[in-house]
Amino acid sequence: EVQLVESGGGLVQPGRSLKLSCVASGFTFSNYGMNWIRQAPGKGLEWVAYISSGSSYIYYAETVKGRFTISRDNAKNTLYLQMTSLRSEDTALYYCARHQGGGIWFAYWGQGTLVTVSS
Amino acid sequence: DIQMTQSPASLSASLEEIVTITCQASQDIGNWLAWYQQKPGKSPQLLIYGATSLADGVPSRFSGSRSGTQYSLKISRLQVEDIGIYYCQQASSAPFTFGSGTKLEIK
Repeated sequence: EVQLVESGGGLVQPGRSLKLSCVASGFTFSNYGMNWIRQAPGKGLEWVAYISSGSSYIYYAETVKGRFTISRDNAKNTLYLQMTSLRSEDTALYYCARHQGGGIWFAYWGQGTLVTVSS
Repeated sequence: DIQMTQSPASLSASLEEIVTITCQASQDIGNWLAWYQQKPGKSPQLLIYGATSLADGVPSRFSGSRSGTQYSLKISRLQVEDIGIYYCQQASSAPFTFGSGTKLEIK
């Protein structure tokens, strides 16, 4: 069974940093591209970042480019999101998500980890 | 960036009714489109991928179609368990944008 478990969320002041983790199990992690997707309270879904299976290809949403860094450790089956210069508008539930083969649509999602940016 | 215009924003329908939600892409995305359902307090679930293919375990009353750059999700006979928010998502190119969502309620 595919499982994705996020952690690392919490309350952080504006301008500070936070690092999220997503531990994967139930599949060969190194074979799949991975993503971070977020959802602000009461709002819709916003794709944040993508990393290919071997980390060769990385893409970001414009809203986080230059502030967030996606990375992965295939030996540890873990996806990361380093977030710096956090803003109030980054407050959201952050999901990690795995593709289904054949396209960048998200067949598997974690339960999310909540990031709250507030002074 | 590719924009996905989803409509309606909300929808109230009766049980067993046919429901249709649409998404308009701002440019050609071929069949690179997916649909998701999100129930309250839960993570989204993939329903349709490749514009028309049903994801594993999804009831056959859900179907997807495409006409040019307009995409539709149809629920053939609405059930109570279908309430939630539905999103489209383009998978053609980064950023992989979602539609704004359609909140589906039972009348």
